[in-house]
Parts: sequence; structure tokens; C-alpha cells
Amino acid sequence: NAGVTQTPKFRVLKTGQSMTLLCAQDMNHEYMYWYRQDPGMGLRLIHYSVGEGTTAKGEVPDGYNVSRLKKQNFLLGLESAAPSQTSVYFCASSHNRASGNTIYFGEGSWLTVV
Amino acid sequence: AQTVTQSQPEMSVQEAETVTLSCTYDTSESDYYLFWYKQPPSRQMILVIRQEAYKQQNATENRFSVNFQKAAKSFSLKISDSQLGDAAMYFCAYRIPPTNAGGTSYGKLTFGQGTILTVHP
Repeated sequence: NAGVTQTPKFRVLKTGQSMTLLCAQDMNHEYMYWYRQDPGMGLRLIHYSVGEGTTAKGEVPDGYNVSRLKKQNFLLGLESAAPSQTSVYFCASSHNRASGNTIYFGEGSWLTVV
Repeated sequence: AQTVTQSQPEMSVQEAETVTLSCTYDTSESDYYLFWYKQPPSRQMILVIRQEAYKQQNATENRFSVNFQKAAKSFSLKISDSQLGDAAMYFCAYRIPPTNAGGTSYGKLTFGQGTILTVHP
């Protein structure tokens, strides 16, 4: 019963380094999302995908890139990490027509940029 | 643009008592969904309750219930018989169904700022 799985769960980066966060879902969901959560705030949408091979920008896309080469995976990349990208990152997924239209979340990835 | 507002940054309640968390939203859509998510210190996002806008009946899940006032665009969460495990950050969220989404909505969740709930023994 995996649901939405994010890797890695924790990572410390130096300014300027690059990394990729991987999100995998096993529910055959069409829609996938990457959010970030900063202290004392709600989640803000970085990028999203409505299907394999498609991606689009959310509210706060600057400094991030994404790819959806396979339906079950959604990758979030930081090409040159900055301290402002220190945050908790959440991946989420949903069907495009599911009962209740519920979005399912991963457990979060803690990223610190020093 | 859709917005979600939680006007209570912090709330507290005594164990076994009842507490209500407030949420208002702004939208011009007629078909949408509203959610309450719980986020404990582990940061996991846990769905507490969901309300479809086309349903007049308020949703209920065990000790959790909502007061959905569509005309007033209000969606409050009532927690009855509060337990220590209820202590968490609570987020109200709004979503247009992906099938009806236009423009760049694509079914994304819009979150409020959150309310920290403390439960006193």
C-alpha cells in the first residue's frame, strides 16, 4: 500500500549544487503536483503535470524544473540550489475524475540549502 | 483567483471539549470541493474531511464535522471530544475538480495559512 513515495526524505545541499527529488505513485493517477511548504505557511504549488509527457508552472516555479517521462513518476529538479529553497517539499497525485477528487500526498522531503 | 483564509493562527482546547476552526474562501465557481487537512509534527498531510459544494448536507467523519455555508463561503471544522492526538496544524483547502478546471487551475489545491491547534490535558 505504497501510495505516493518521495525520495530522498532528507537532504542537505550546498549553495549552487543540483539535485533531483523523485516522486512515485502506484495509483495510476493522471495528475501529479509538487508543492513546497515554508515555516508557518500553507503549501504552494511549484509545478504540476496533467499526464505523461506534460508539465506546467504553478505559483512559485522559479529555480525549479520538472519532468514526467513516465506516468507514475514526477521529478523535481534544482539546478543551482539557493538558501531560499530550503523548505519541505510535498509531492501529490490524483485521478482526473476520482470520487471526491481527493489529492493524495507523499510524506514530504526536507531540503536544507546551506 | 481563488483564495482561502484561516483567520485563527492558533487555537487551544481542553481535552474532551469541542473546538471550531474557521475557514472562508473566495471563488466564482459553482462546482468545487473543500477539504480539511491535518499536519502533525511529522509534517505528513492527513485528510480529515471533505465536502462537495453541490451537497447541502454537512460532512461528518466520527468526531469531525463541518459547517458548510455556501452562500457565505464559509467552511468551519468542528472537533468534538478533543483528544491529545488532535494537536496539529490544520489546513483548509479548496479545489476545482480537474475535469471542470479551466485555464491553469488543473485541479490544484489552494491552501489557507493554517491554524495551530493545541490540546491541553
